[in-house]
Amino acid sequence: ETGVTQTPRHLVMGMTNKKSLKCEQHLGHNAMYWYKQSAKKPLELMFVYSLEERVENNSVPSRFSPECPNSSHLFLHLHTLQPEDSALYLCASSQDKSTNQPQHFGDGTRLSIL
Amino acid sequence: DAKTTQPPSMDCAEGRAANLPCNHSTISGNEYVYWYRQIHSQGPQYIIHGLKNNETNEMASLIITEDRKSSTLILPHATLRDTAVYYCIVKIIQGAQKLVFGQGTRLTINP
Repeated sequence: ETGVTQTPRHLVMGMTNKKSLKCEQHLGHNAMYWYKQSAKKPLELMFVYSLEERVENNSVPSRFSPECPNSSHLFLHLHTLQPEDSALYLCASSQDKSTNQPQHFGDGTRLSIL
Repeated sequence: DAKTTQPPSMDCAEGRAANLPCNHSTISGNEYVYWYRQIHSQGPQYIIHGLKNNETNEMASLIITEDRKSSTLILPHATLRDTAVYYCIVKIIQGAQKLVFGQGTRLTINP
């Protein structure tokens, strides 16, 4: 699957660092998503953007700050993270937010907080 | 969204058809059935989806029972690269697209 690209693939950071995760989709989709996948737990939806407007925020702590400058790019800005934030962060996109068309995922950024 | 039930693990011989079952007895009329798989260290990969008719694409076939309370994903000629965790998801199409992943079925293809 090369339609959704995430960088970096791996990230190690301290609790006081600030970093950003990047997602880019080449599928012409209008909706983009951030998910978190912790070890031994199902995927958790974090944020949904539709046409660059945030339409859902699933009670995510403010140390995670999403940004969607255009329909092809999505960022997740990180600051003052906690060890429990170590996880695989997945980006996905779909044609629209309210449709039966499927979401397509990137391969994720594996984040480790020291 | 309706809850789904899948066996935790299955084995299949390489070259044979892999049939993965999913129960979704509380599914409602406007909910679709989606199948994804996740290979280790990769993001979930979309396989197929359907509402009530059987569907087929280049990856798999989806058989949905007439009462829509269960479905089967069929990989017609399994290869070693099909070893993955397979997720059956039922989702309403209105509103924001929240995919709810359960524990899935860990499918192992044996040589």
